[in-house]
Amino acid sequence: KQEVTQIPAALSVPEGENLVLNCSFTDSAIYNLQWFRQDPGKGLTSLLLIQSSQREQTSGRLNASLDKSSGRSTLYIAASQPGDSATYLCAVNGGTSYGKLTFGQGTILTVHP
Amino acid sequence: GAGVSQSPSNKVTEKGKDVELRCDPISGHTALYWYRQSLGQGLEFLIYFQGNSAPDKSGLPSDRFSAERTGGSVSTLTIQRTQQEDSAVYLCASSLLLSGELFFGEGSRLTVL
Repeated sequence: KQEVTQIPAALSVPEGENLVLNCSFTDSAIYNLQWFRQDPGKGLTSLLLIQSSQREQTSGRLNASLDKSSGRSTLYIAASQPGDSATYLCAVNGGTSYGKLTFGQGTILTVHP
Repeated sequence: GAGVSQSPSNKVTEKGKDVELRCDPISGHTALYWYRQSLGQGLEFLIYFQGNSAPDKSGLPSDRFSAERTGGSVSTLTIQRTQQEDSAVYLCASSLLLSGELFFGEGSRLTVL
């Protein structure tokens, strides 16, 4: 059974710092991996989707990498801003759970001015 | 519409009553998913629909839960004889193809008294 772990569980940083959020998964036979952000009381917003054949994806200040063989992904946030404060979720799709995302518990990020 | 639409946004019901939650996916998306988010369990897969194929119901927690998707578009999640442990946020998502990038709605918060 796929298990997804996110570290750290919470992170509080001053504005302007570069951040790394970590995601690890136990079954490396994945189809893709998706990063989301969730604001309080809201749904999930897709940030980046990495296919299993890709090493990284970039969108603006966000960069996500994938090392499938070691079961790891990182989300890098450059020059953090207070508006980046949210919960960041990593979700893995594939293996015996094709079509069904397995989510980590999330990293709660607070960026203070 | 431009995004995934869910209704109602909030529903308070008494234990033992039936509830229906509605999801209107992004136009043209062939895959539709239901997830549940609760404090103790994080995000759990419930069911997905893909085109005309039989739905994957493997995540439904009990036979009190059912879902249908009419005309390949709108979906309804029905919970019969609600219990307090059914209290959660029910999130709907859609994707262009199964296992493509998922786009989530804002969710329906269910409270069972």
